[in-house]
Amino acid sequence: QKEVEQNSGPLSVPEGAIASLNCTYSDRVSQSFFWYRQYSGKSPELIMSIYSNGDKEDGRFTAQLNKASQYVSLLIRDSQPSDSATYLCAVESGGSNYKLTFGKGTLLTVNP
Amino acid sequence: ETGVTQTPRHLVMGMTNKKSLKCEQHLGHNAMYWYKQSAKKPLELMFVYNFKEQTENNSVPSRFSPECPNSSHLFLHLHTLQPEDSALYLCASSQDRSTYEQYFGPGTRLTVT
Repeated sequence: QKEVEQNSGPLSVPEGAIASLNCTYSDRVSQSFFWYRQYSGKSPELIMSIYSNGDKEDGRFTAQLNKASQYVSLLIRDSQPSDSATYLCAVESGGSNYKLTFGKGTLLTVNP
Repeated sequence: ETGVTQTPRHLVMGMTNKKSLKCEQHLGHNAMYWYKQSAKKPLELMFVYNFKEQTENNSVPSRFSPECPNSSHLFLHLHTLQPEDSALYLCASSQDRSTYEQYFGPGTRLTVT
């Protein structure tokens, strides 16, 4: 059973701080990794994808990937109250299955 | 309309009813997905269609019946559901099934009474 693990939170940070969201996965052959943001009562929205080891930056968001450790993270700099949401980590299942496996998500609250 | 749309947004149905959920994508994608999202659980993949052909049925009970008449439209037909089927049902699409970047519709909140 391929698994994606996230701390359920809630993770609470003050406005302006860095929020760090973590995800580990079990399938060593996975090559593609995604972060989705889901506001309460809304559907998931793709915000970052990462395929290579290292960091990928997009505005205030940085995704970090370490395939050797089977670990992917999302950093949100200068956190804003509007970043308050559940963040879902999704991992490609590997091989020819062509499926995404999602974690349960981490609830982030940014306090003004 | 842009992106992925779903109707209805909310649905309440009795256990003996028959209803259908509709999804339409305006992104020119060729793969479409049905997911179930329940509280405290990860997103559960139900069905995958690639170029109108079903490529995945994730051991979903037969009371859920998908239909994909073309690459832009996806239906989920529901009959004799159980209360535990109450959940948010999400449709998603991607360029094709080997492209993992999926884009979700707003979902249908289903309540089975």
